[in-house]
Amino acid sequence: QSALTQPPSASGSPGQSVTISCTGTSSDVGGYNQVSWYQQHPGKVPKLIIYEVTKRPSGVPDRFSGSKSGNTASLTVSGLQAEDEADYYCSSHGGIGDSDAFYVFGTGTKVTVL
Amino acid sequence: EVQLVESGGGLVQPGGSLRLSCAVSGFSLSSREMNWVRQAPGRGLEWVSYTSSTSSATFYAESVKGRFTISRDNAKNSLYLQMNSLRVEDTAIYYCAREMMLTPGDALDLWGQGTMVTVSS
Repeated sequence: QSALTQPPSASGSPGQSVTISCTGTSSDVGGYNQVSWYQQHPGKVPKLIIYEVTKRPSGVPDRFSGSKSGNTASLTVSGLQAEDEADYYCSSHGGIGDSDAFYVFGTGTKVTVL
Repeated sequence: EVQLVESGGGLVQPGGSLRLSCAVSGFSLSSREMNWVRQAPGRGLEWVSYTSSTSSATFYAESVKGRFTISRDNAKNSLYLQMNSLRVEDTAIYYCAREMMLTPGDALDLWGQGTMVTVSS
């Protein structure tokens, strides 16, 4: 399975919204409601911010929201703040077959707060 | 404190071997599925391997299949990754990551700080 496709970069001014797409196939994003999103600041460890397409772990602000339509998932960050500047990765379960990848990650999107 | 601490990384020549360890604290490893995920310098995340809580099911990325082996010692609260026949392209930070306590494959809710593996002659 190939990596999920994300735009390399996205940007917005403080207070604005930014949406990041994550495109896969019917074998991953389209086939499972097991899409997650991770935030990674430079030199830091990835942090889970969305799981099961739309759910937020405890402590994650409701400015972060997720959705999915067909083979494409999306992450929206509303009310952008300076601390939201980071790399964002989507991920999907990819199956348990012999040639499947249990997790497929996206190519990553660098979000810049202007 | 709930945490994962990796160790065992380092510099190794192509064709060599390394064994990574992940020490678990603050929760019982025996009840959780676990994964290894890697990140090459300046690159994105790549899933490497998964193990169920009892090791009854293990899965590997195509890129490491036949060379890497995931294992665990629940009594020692430790997860391992035996890496053989290492290649230059295996150079990366290796993270151990915990599955959420939901359906396997949902998400990874706890990550270690990572251990760097460099494969170079």
